[in-house]
Amino acid sequence: AQSVTQPDIHITVSEGASLELRCNYSYGATPYLFWYVQSPGQGLQLLLKYFSGDTLVQGIKGFEAEFKRSQSSFNLRKPSVHWSDAAEYFCAVGASSGGSYIPTFGRGTSLIVHP
Amino acid sequence: KAGVTQTPRYLIKTRGQQVTLSCSPISGHRSVSWYQQTPGQGLQFLFEYFSETQRNKGNFPGRFSGRQFSNSRSEMNVSTLELGDSALYLCASSLFSASGGTDTQYFGPGTRLTVL
Repeated sequence: AQSVTQPDIHITVSEGASLELRCNYSYGATPYLFWYVQSPGQGLQLLLKYFSGDTLVQGIKGFEAEFKRSQSSFNLRKPSVHWSDAAEYFCAVGASSGGSYIPTFGRGTSLIVHP
Repeated sequence: KAGVTQTPRYLIKTRGQQVTLSCSPISGHRSVSWYQQTPGQGLQFLFEYFSETQRNKGNFPGRFSGRQFSNSRSEMNVSTLELGDSALYLCASSLFSASGGTDTQYFGPGTRLTVL
């Protein structure tokens, strides 16, 4: 069975600083990988996804993530954080099933942005 | 176009009761998935429906069930509610392509269920 580990429960950065959120996965085949963001009282919003091809994936809101098969990682990065980026971030791995996929989520990383 | 809508947004029930939650997908989307989010267990996949058929199911007891109607709207039902069923229930819709289900899922705001 697949699993996802987000080692950092909370991360605090200053506005304008760079950001990297860590994600490690366990899955036997080539994974589908996702990063989602959840603001308080909101549903999830997809930031980016990796299915195949280029291992550096560009997403919305200036985020990018790099798939490293050798390290089983899919870390999320942003060069300059804005106060509005404060939210909960979830990494997920999808196992292919029946023409779709079943996602398994990490426990999330809460991003706090200081002015 | 309108996003995914979920009704009701908030719900309070007592143990032993049953509850039905509703999800209306984005127009044209044919796949609907349900998730449970709790502080203890995090985000967990419940099930996915496409063309009125359950395509995938997560590891939840049979008390949790769902269905999808011909207009792609979906409902999920939880019978014999337990305190641990208190959670945010999220619905997501996606546009299914015949070549494979790798389309982006769009999430609704969720239904907050409290079981007393």
